[in-house]
Amino acid sequence: DAGVTQSPTHLIKTRGQQVTLRCSPKSGHDTVSWYQQALGQGPQFIFQYYEEEERQRGNFPDRFSGHQFPNYSSELNVNALLLGDSALYLCASATGGARYTGELFFGEGSRLTVL
Amino acid sequence: AQTVTQSQPEMSVQEAETVTLSCTYDTSESDYYLFWYKQPPSRQMILVIRQEAYKQQNATENRFSVNFQKAAKSFSLKISDSQLGDAAMYFCAIYLTGNQFYFGTGTSLTVIP
Repeated sequence: DAGVTQSPTHLIKTRGQQVTLRCSPKSGHDTVSWYQQALGQGPQFIFQYYEEEERQRGNFPDRFSGHQFPNYSSELNVNALLLGDSALYLCASATGGARYTGELFFGEGSRLTVL
Repeated sequence: AQTVTQSQPEMSVQEAETVTLSCTYDTSESDYYLFWYKQPPSRQMILVIRQEAYKQQNATENRFSVNFQKAAKSFSLKISDSQLGDAAMYFCAIYLTGNQFYFGTGTSLTVIP
């Protein structure tokens, strides 16, 4: 049973560029959340997707956008990259949309470095 | 808004000994869930233990147990018989149904052989 998979694992971009990160949820999961984890910090919630719609959003600018596909996989897009966007981006999956009460299953993350 | 505070950036424990990691939180809600997650150097966050706020009984998972003090908004994690594989960053988190997870800043645990 495959867990949450993310790609790419590492990437380097320059300021002003755009990046797309991808996530496949754990088998049977329909809800995907994205988190940003800066170095030495805890994960910060970016947004959550369920039924192909953004259901909740954290305190992140519109440069951060996402998408969920019919197979429940998801993408995170960041435009006009800033140095401060350098972080580990974690994808987490669950079931039940906003009503889930169980655990989140995390991927290993995508390490983004902005130069 | 919800906040989670982990006041111990680093902790160390001798192998086979017991260690307690502290966590306090703040919320005005009465229905929520509390979690401890472990993040080893491999980066993948793994659930250690989960506690429903409406349950008075403290959760236990093998060598891991919590001390949940709802009135004090405290949720500490006790690791008994520490093993080398327990070395990791530990994050405390709160979740309100229909809301989002809020994580603390983490405690780095070192296990000394």
